[in-house]
Parts: sequence; C-alpha cells; structure tokens
Amino acid sequence: RKEVEQDPGPFNVPEGATVAFNCTYSNSASQSFFWYRQDCRKEPKLLMSVYSSGNEDGRFTAQLNRASQYISLLIRDSKLSDSATYLCVVNTPTGGSYIPTFGRGTSLIVHP
Amino acid sequence: DAGITQSPRHKVTETGTPVTLRCHQTENHRYMYWYRQDPGHGLRLIHYSYGVKDTDKGEVSDGYSVSRSKTEDFLLTLESATSSQTSVYFCAISETSGNKVEQYFGPGTRLTVT
Repeated sequence: RKEVEQDPGPFNVPEGATVAFNCTYSNSASQSFFWYRQDCRKEPKLLMSVYSSGNEDGRFTAQLNRASQYISLLIRDSKLSDSATYLCVVNTPTGGSYIPTFGRGTSLIVHP
Repeated sequence: DAGITQSPRHKVTETGTPVTLRCHQTENHRYMYWYRQDPGHGLRLIHYSYGVKDTDKGEVSDGYSVSRSKTEDFLLTLESATSSQTSVYFCAISETSGNKVEQYFGPGTRLTVT
C-alpha cells in the first residue's frame, strides 16, 4: 500500500464549479502536510500548507483530519487556469529527518 | 522563484552509458533531493542530501548514486543507464524548520535511454 493515496481522477468540471480532492496517508507519525500544483510538463509548485485547524487562501481551502489520517483540498468557483494536477504531500519521519512523500496526484480539468 | 537550475534539460543516451545530471541552487538551502516522475507512479525519491557529503537513499535508489561536494551542487549519476531509467528527473531543495519541509523544485531533466 502506497504511503500517500489520492484519487487520480481526472475530475472534469465546468467553470464556476466547486470541486474537492481527498488524500489519505498511512504513517500516523507524519507531521506536516501540503498541496502542490503541477502543470503539464512543468515542475511541481507549492500551493498551500495544510494546518490542523484548516486554512483558506482565496478560493482554496485545505483541511486536515489527523484521527482519520485524511487531507482535503476544496476549490471554489473553478477557473480554466485551475486545470492542473494536484499533489498531496506528507512529511514523514525517516532516520532523524522529515522526508516529503508525494501522492500520485489528482488531475483536474476545468472546461468552459 | 527559488534559484534552482538543472542541467542538461534534455538528454538522449544509449543503454550502458554513464550519465550525470546536475542540480544547482543559489538559496544556500541545506536539503537537496532527486526525484523521478513516471506515469502511474508520481514523484518518487531517489536520493537526498542533508549537507555537504551527507546523503541518504530514497525509495528507488538502485542504479543511482549521488554526490554533494558543495552546498550549491547535487549530482545524480546513472553508472550504466538502462531503458527503465527513462524518466523526468526533478531536483528539489528545502530549508527545514523542525518538521515543516517546504520544497522548491527545479525545471526538470527529460532523460531518454535508448
């Protein structure tokens, strides 16, 4: 079982829709969590951190449920420019360091 | 944008030849990482470094070696390239603050082994 699991999608939604992505992780000792965005044939870029109390950045809301080992990303009022792959990242303790482990990504396609 | 460059950006090589990819940073970050990304697998960690001459293996380290003789440079070597190593390779850097590891990625190197 992969340490970080995501639904690969694709999620195909119209402009203006609200869409939610989920991510589960297997190591309960994991400490910090992030969402990255990756455009086609580009490098991943940090979208936002995920805090225990939940956090919002404009149209994006991230939530963490430590008890269920579950992370979510909600995008409201989707734009064409939101089309990308969204990667869930979990920092897992490994030999004295915290090493980021990536999910396989969820593909989002926003259409007119 | 974080100052991370990778070279070469594209390479085609033959099976059995050695290949070295270079990652260079101008941020003076302590941690550097090499990942490969393949369809259906996502990003997988090959090796990482937590300081000059300090490196450790990741999930898919077989067939790869690394070296870090200066803070700013992290080299990935394929001693004898195989077709299974055809992939996109990303370098990343981070400056850890406790357990909060935010990474910044280079533009990637597309490697094709024929």
